Amino acid sequence: EADIYQTPRYLVIGTGKKITLECSQTMGHDKMYWYQQDPGMELHLIHYSYGVNSTEKGDLSSESTVSRIRTEHFPLTLESARPSHTSQYLCASSELGDSYEQYFGPGTRLTVT
Amino acid sequence: DAKTTQPPSMDCAEGRAANLPCNHSTISGNEYVYWYRQIHSQGPQYIIHGLKNNETNEMASLIITEDRKSSTLILPHATLRDTAVYYCIVRVAGAAGNKLTFGGGTRVLVKP
Repeated sequence: EADIYQTPRYLVIGTGKKITLECSQTMGHDKMYWYQQDPGMELHLIHYSYGVNSTEKGDLSSESTVSRIRTEHFPLTLESARPSHTSQYLCASSELGDSYEQYFGPGTRLTVT
Repeated sequence: DAKTTQPPSMDCAEGRAANLPCNHSTISGNEYVYWYRQIHSQGPQYIIHGLKNNETNEMASLIITEDRKSSTLILPHATLRDTAVYYCIVRVAGAAGNKLTFGGGTRVLVKP
């Protein structure tokens, strides 16, 4: 079983609110990722990190921001939520290197009304 | 990134082997083939990966053709809990974040 956790699992929030989606892993992985997935659709990488103080934008443009102050923690923040942000957000982690598999958390399903 | 092509869906009888094909004709020599699956409303789950040789673990077997342009994931004895979307992914190696590019996948329905 992968030791990667996301909270909250479900969130319904009004437009304009600031939200932070939490992601933590206890495997000591250096790399962490955030993906966005709409129901029945493909996953899209929105952010990733190689380690502490490292953050990069992914393929899909996102208004969210991330931070990596601790190895185990990779929170995602939306300063002002909009209905277009409604989606499922999946966090993942992996070891450094080219061939290591990614372990995914259970996801946060966000609905912005 | 090498693109992958998978059938959109397939059914499988419980207890039988499920053979999931994937084409990746533009794969580069240093790119791995990964398989993940996603059960409804859950995060993706790693299954297996390989570079050139066939691989087997407790979940599945991966058969890669000699020219590496296609592969097959084999679930030896499918159970109802194997119902999921299965993604064949070619891994971008190197410094670009090792991102996983998920395509449409194959929706597998295991029937009693």
